[in-house]
Amino acid sequence: DAKTTQPNSMESNEEEPVHLPCNHSTISGTDYIHWYRQLPSQGPEYVIHGLTSNVNNRMASLAIAEDRKSSTLILHRATLRDAAVYYCILNTGNQFYFGTGTSLTVIP
Amino acid sequence: EAGVAQSPRYKIIEKRQSVAFWCNPISGHATLYWYQQILGQGPKLLIQFQNNGVVDDSQLPKDRFSAERLKGVDSTLKIQPAKLEDSAVYLCASSSAWGQLNTEAFFGQGTRLTVV
Repeated sequence: DAKTTQPNSMESNEEEPVHLPCNHSTISGTDYIHWYRQLPSQGPEYVIHGLTSNVNNRMASLAIAEDRKSSTLILHRATLRDAAVYYCILNTGNQFYFGTGTSLTVIP
Repeated sequence: EAGVAQSPRYKIIEKRQSVAFWCNPISGHATLYWYQQILGQGPKLLIQFQNNGVVDDSQLPKDRFSAERLKGVDSTLKIQPAKLEDSAVYLCASSSAWGQLNTEAFFGQGTRLTVV
């Protein structure tokens, strides 16, 4: 029951910032926005999450729209190791429903 | 801290055979998830446990799939009999608390099943 919409693929040059968008127009007031990424042949790994305010951690930043119907994951300087599929997920009832994600290609 | 452990990493079986996957979550994690990931798709939630009780199995094909989590720790997922369309990676994940929407889930590396 994916409740988020993301572009299928994006490209970025190495060491440039990347903005990965996500639409979640049916978000409810208590849903947290989570981002995970999946490197080839590995399980998904947590990137960041937020509720209303913008969030920063060592991996990325999360910008959440004022109406919470969209968000953007920001990688400040893309590296080759950031090439992965990025999933935007609404955590509702402690359940993680994945969509198809955005496949990020980083160009050297 | 040790991560989520899954075994085996790979399994090849013939259709109509049975197969079982094992998952050991992170110590102390109450919530455990099993996902199925078909090539090119995002993970699909099959079942979710809170301790040893099932809280969501709405997407589990119960005619052939079963899962249990004895004593609220390790879990096994079984397929009997397998079909060709069951070929996928089966992912196990765990998280520390139920009802806290700001907790993250930790995933294992998965078991890649090929049904021939």
